[in-house]
Amino acid sequence: GAGVSQSPSNKVTEKGKDVELRCDPISGHTALYWYRQSLGQGLEFLIYFQGNSAPDKSGLPSDRFSAERTGGSVSTLTIQRTQQEDSAVYLCASSSGLAGAETQYFGPGTRLLVL
Amino acid sequence: AQSVTQLDSQVPVFEEAPVELRCNYSSSVSVYLFWYVQYPNQGLQLLLKYLSGSTLVKGINGFEAEFNKSQTSFHLRKPSVHISDTAEYFCAVSELRAGNNRKLIWGLGTSLAVNP
Repeated sequence: GAGVSQSPSNKVTEKGKDVELRCDPISGHTALYWYRQSLGQGLEFLIYFQGNSAPDKSGLPSDRFSAERTGGSVSTLTIQRTQQEDSAVYLCASSSGLAGAETQYFGPGTRLLVL
Repeated sequence: AQSVTQLDSQVPVFEEAPVELRCNYSSSVSVYLFWYVQYPNQGLQLLLKYLSGSTLVKGINGFEAEFNKSQTSFHLRKPSVHISDTAEYFCAVSELRAGNNRKLIWGLGTSLAVNP
């Protein structure tokens, strides 16, 4: 497909379990971002990747959160020992660069519910 | 940008009425400015952006925004709204700094509800 895809679209898990969320960016896009969107809240930046540079992890809320980007393409966001407050929509976006002017293209999100 | 403030969390308006969604930011350097829209059950998409040049920017679906540097504002306007404009609107700012740290700073969003 031509757009950003994310899987799964919905995930229900039990407190304490680990979850993995996947993002497939637009082909050729060097920058990839993860955001969290909670009900009634704006977009909370989590992490971004740009090419082969070290990722900016400054937005990760705790050490239970981590992300990888393999081969400069697909990215996985992992949440360990999930808590109820982790329930949110997790959005992935990609762009053609990181000069600040590029449009970010968003995926449909993964809706995570931690019971 | 230190922060982006969207002054109205919710804006109810009747169909065919004009609307303005307000956005202010704080920054000590030059910025790029964006408005993104999230329609119900859809992903976020770019509505318009200001990079340089004319301070009046036109976007999709008849929206426009004006960059006011002295007031550090980037308000979004549409002269006549439709039911289909009902959505969440997000303002975002990117600072022009040296280096590779150019992530966007996002406002909390404004929920526009267009009523018949």
